[in-house]
Amino acid sequence: DSGVTQTPKHLITATGQRVTLRCSPRSGDLSVYWYQQSLDQGLQFLIQYYNGEERAKGNILERFSAQQFPDLHSELNLSSLELGDSALYFCASSADSRGELFFGEGSRLTVL
Amino acid sequence: AQRVTQPEKLLSVFKGAPVELKCNYSYSGSPELFWYVQYSRQRLQLLLRHISRESIKGFTADLNKGETSFHLKKPFAQEEDSAMYYCALSAFSGGYNKLIFGAGTRLAVHP
Repeated sequence: DSGVTQTPKHLITATGQRVTLRCSPRSGDLSVYWYQQSLDQGLQFLIQYYNGEERAKGNILERFSAQQFPDLHSELNLSSLELGDSALYFCASSADSRGELFFGEGSRLTVL
Repeated sequence: AQRVTQPEKLLSVFKGAPVELKCNYSYSGSPELFWYVQYSRQRLQLLLRHISRESIKGFTADLNKGETSFHLKKPFAQEEDSAMYYCALSAFSGGYNKLIFGAGTRLAVHP
């Protein structure tokens, strides 16, 4: 068990809605990463936090936002959802920004 | 631009055959490259990194800076190698490192 916990595991919602995905990193890891995995897109890097601060941004839409809290857990907020947002959202953590990433099991979002 | 390209979506081989999963990268700095693997119903996990130059589960990968490649190889594939394989590049940008993944290659090893 890698220790990265993501909730919820599955989520079904409608277009236009807003959802929040939650991630608890491994104990002691300061870096949290969010990735989106769509059917044909592979793993798309969304955003990275280190000890509460945003460190790097990838292809994250303006409708999406994230934050890392003082207890180091992170939330990814997805708003004005579209059908194309249906994907598996992975959270990963690492002890620092250059180390091995440990992944959670992912949150599968289905937008109907 | 920082990019990782895995040209094959699916690689299908028979047990005992050699395997080579291709990975090419685009990066102006000094690259750090990784291979991650996702077995069925398991989390994505690190398989190997080029810095350690080790063989994991019989897999090796050599960084070729001239060809900007980091292909993953195994001389004799096993059925338990069937999984999704992702090549990743640690890229330094804006003062920080981020890990960029390729689209992944699904390896199917048939008996």
